[in-house]
Amino acid sequence: GQNIDQPTEMTATEGAIVQINCTYQTSGFNGLFWYQQHAGEAPTFLSYNVLDGLEEKGRFSSFLSRSKGYSYLLLKELQMKDSASYLCAVRKGGAGSYQLTFGKGTKLSVIP
Amino acid sequence: NAGVTQTPKFRVLKTGQSMTLLCAQDMNHEYMYWYRQDPGMGLRLIHYSVGEGTTAKGEVPDGYNVSRLKKQNFLLGLESAAPSQTSVYFCASSTLAAVNQETQYFGPGTRLLVL
Repeated sequence: GQNIDQPTEMTATEGAIVQINCTYQTSGFNGLFWYQQHAGEAPTFLSYNVLDGLEEKGRFSSFLSRSKGYSYLLLKELQMKDSASYLCAVRKGGAGSYQLTFGKGTKLSVIP
Repeated sequence: NAGVTQTPKFRVLKTGQSMTLLCAQDMNHEYMYWYRQDPGMGLRLIHYSVGEGTTAKGEVPDGYNVSRLKKQNFLLGLESAAPSQTSVYFCASSTLAAVNQETQYFGPGTRLLVL
């Protein structure tokens, strides 16, 4: 099976940097995704990592270490609109590789 | 290009009633998924489909049935609704057109309340 852990809630200040961690245990691995979900809305894709290292996309970056079963999402220059839940999801390799298993999400509150 | 759409947006059912949730996508995606999202539980996969005419069980399939008669549509049925099925249901679709990258695109969700 798969087990994905991320903090339940975090609070950060507008303009600051915040790091949201995700650890996973899986019998196979074929990619890690981060999604953003505003309250009452659908999740939207943020980033994808399949190899170790950092992927940067504007204010958002995502890091992966496959040997440690660890990823983080880094949000820079926080804005009020970044208040949302951030979902970590893992895709298994091999058969069923099109399925994602999601963590429970981290609710980020950005305060002035 | 509407992306992924879901019908209805909100529904109230009585225990034992049946209903069908409709998901449609206009991106010609091969794969489609149904999830439910409950507070403190995250998104959980109910059923999925890797192509027209094929379906498979996900993590929490009990009490639900699905059909994929057309590539663009994926139906989720509740034959006899139970209060435990009160949830927000999301449909998603994806394609493996990009090498090794498969992003799932989500619909806006259906909020279901079973009394």
